[in-house]
Amino acid sequence: DQQVKQNSPSLSVQEGRISILNCDYTNSMFDYFLWYKKYPAEGPTFLISISSIKDKNEDGRFTVFLNKSAKHLSLHIVPSQPGDSAVYFCAVRSGNTPLVFGKGTRLSVIA
Amino acid sequence: DAGVIQSPRHEVTEMGQEVTLRCKPISGHNSLFWYRQTMMRGLELLIYFNNNVPIDDSGMPEDRFSAKMPNASFSTLKIQPSEPRDSAVYFCASRGAGVNNEQFFGPGTRLTVL
Repeated sequence: DQQVKQNSPSLSVQEGRISILNCDYTNSMFDYFLWYKKYPAEGPTFLISISSIKDKNEDGRFTVFLNKSAKHLSLHIVPSQPGDSAVYFCAVRSGNTPLVFGKGTRLSVIA
Repeated sequence: DAGVIQSPRHEVTEMGQEVTLRCKPISGHNSLFWYRQTMMRGLELLIYFNNNVPIDDSGMPEDRFSAKMPNASFSTLKIQPSEPRDSAVYFCASRGAGVNNEQFFGPGTRLTVL
């Protein structure tokens, strides 16, 4: 049973527009939430995170939103750039446990 | 820092052969993780170590899989005998001590078992 779900396997967005990637989780004990970005033939790299005491964290063009009551996490990228084209993984953790990952969403930003 | 180092980057082998994947974590990190990525299952945790001690190996699919961490700077994941369904990308990651530290991933080993 999947603890972390990314229901959209892929997403296409025009350059300059907003990209919104979504993630749902099942366990309310999760208290730290992350997004990783993965290019082909490379390992995932950390992008942005948020702890359960916050509902928003912003870093440049990237903003992560957390809705604890809905057990929902989203990543907003604005404006989207062609270099943002990659697979984005949502990851969650409880305390110091290993990260549990979603299956990823492939984002394509079209010039 | 060179980051997490994995070798080999690519491995092609025949069914029944032994395969050994290697990982060097980031210096000073005390946790090490082995993940497997497939199209069907995404990124699955296989096993992780804290301070060189295996903590949870419940993700290891079968007894054919084993992992060791003889010291803080080296870990291996072994598959013996290998099967075609083991074909995947295997990632090693490490993390430093601290509650909100992120995991840093290596570039992965792409394993193909014919």
